Amino acid sequence: SQQGEEDPQALSIQEGENATMNCSYKTSINNLQWYRQNSGRGLVHLILIRSNEREKHSGRLRVTLDTSKKSSSLLITASRAADTASYFCATDTTNSKLTFGKGITLSVRP
Amino acid sequence: NAGVMQNPRHLVRRRGQEARLRCSPMKGHSHVYWYRQLPEEGLKFMVYLQKENIIDESGMPKERFSAEFPKEGPSILRIQQVVRGDSAAYFCATRSGREHQETQYFGPGTRLLVL
Repeated sequence: SQQGEEDPQALSIQEGENATMNCSYKTSINNLQWYRQNSGRGLVHLILIRSNEREKHSGRLRVTLDTSKKSSSLLITASRAADTASYFCATDTTNSKLTFGKGITLSVRP
Repeated sequence: NAGVMQNPRHLVRRRGQEARLRCSPMKGHSHVYWYRQLPEEGLKFMVYLQKENIIDESGMPKERFSAEFPKEGPSILRIQQVVRGDSAAYFCATRSGREHQETQYFGPGTRLLVL
């Protein structure tokens, strides 16, 4: 089974609304990273949070990490149509190799 | 400063042929990771290399697949005698290896189609 599992699998919201995506994992981690992937393209790194951090911000992004619950959330505030993409969480456990979840498909309606 | 480069971007092979995928790291990056993405799936780790060394190949199929990262030139993922199930997007990611710089930067991927 996946180390990182995102939920929901798909999310559809109106432009301007906030989008919250969750990720759960199973084993201890060094850090957790969120990536975005537009259809047919490569991955773009969004934000990294280390195991000793609880919350991080970057522009319209806010990520939290709860190591006791082995979970993370990504919040995108004031969403835009351009935020439409797949979002993946990835955990870094050994040698910095990343273990990805299956991703969340976010659709932002104009 | 160019990002991670991969070529070719698209590759079509017939069953039984060989596929060679290349990855040129960002300047200053000496750590390379290869991942495979099947349709509608997340990325799966295959292999981790540093210059001239394979550090972790736990995600690599035991047969037909090999990877290298020579002292000079790009990292290469080689798939011999391809089968239809090898059709996927292959991404490489690189990082610098400096302390507290864990972020991996991904290339645009090579989409392999096996006919």
